Amino acid sequence: QQQVKQSPQSLIVQKGGIPIINCAYENTAFDYFPWYQQFPGKGPALLIAIRPDVSEKKEGRFTISFNKSAKQFSLHIMDSQPGDSATYFCAASKNYGQNFVFGPGTRLSVLP
Amino acid sequence: DTEVTQTPKHLVMGMTNKKSLKCEQHMGHRAMYWYKQKAKKPPELMFVYSYEKLSINESVPSRFSPECPNSSLLNLHLHALQPEDSALYLCASSQDRSGNYGYTFGSGTRLTVV
Repeated sequence: QQQVKQSPQSLIVQKGGIPIINCAYENTAFDYFPWYQQFPGKGPALLIAIRPDVSEKKEGRFTISFNKSAKQFSLHIMDSQPGDSATYFCAASKNYGQNFVFGPGTRLSVLP
Repeated sequence: DTEVTQTPKHLVMGMTNKKSLKCEQHMGHRAMYWYKQKAKKPPELMFVYSYEKLSINESVPSRFSPECPNSSLLNLHLHALQPEDSALYLCASSQDRSGNYGYTFGSGTRLTVV
């Protein structure tokens, strides 16, 4: 119940495409769902996050869609750029943010 | 200052060595974390400090010993490590249960045990 599933494992898109990464969870006690972006040799960086009382959140080219009834959430990257090539981790936590459970990650490659 | 600073960036140590990893933040965050990350895997939680007290130890072997000297500093003391302990060790911090709930990660220490 503590797991967060993430798909696909890897993703290749052309520049300007809209990659979509999906995550699913089981524990209904989770109340905070962030996405992290990690470049090789760097630590993960918080990209965008959502709480279950909203169905969508946009920040720049990044959008989280959240489906509480299906216990699923996804990351959309609009107008993707080669600089977006990185590993993306979804995560979930309860009690407002401590003890995150991370998904296994998606390696995104955006071709020029 | 919105960063978490980790030193050293790279560390090679023998199995009989004793070394320490250091982490520092000046954002006033009161929760600090150590994570271990193997290649192509997500970060795995090791320890959580909340208000300078160890609140979570995820069954980490005693060859890893955390220390939080003050609210800005976090150390990880290493002793008698095994080659399988080679990994990227990440420090992170967050405000406690209010405000911004995300983590700020450092860039990590790449540890190689030989």
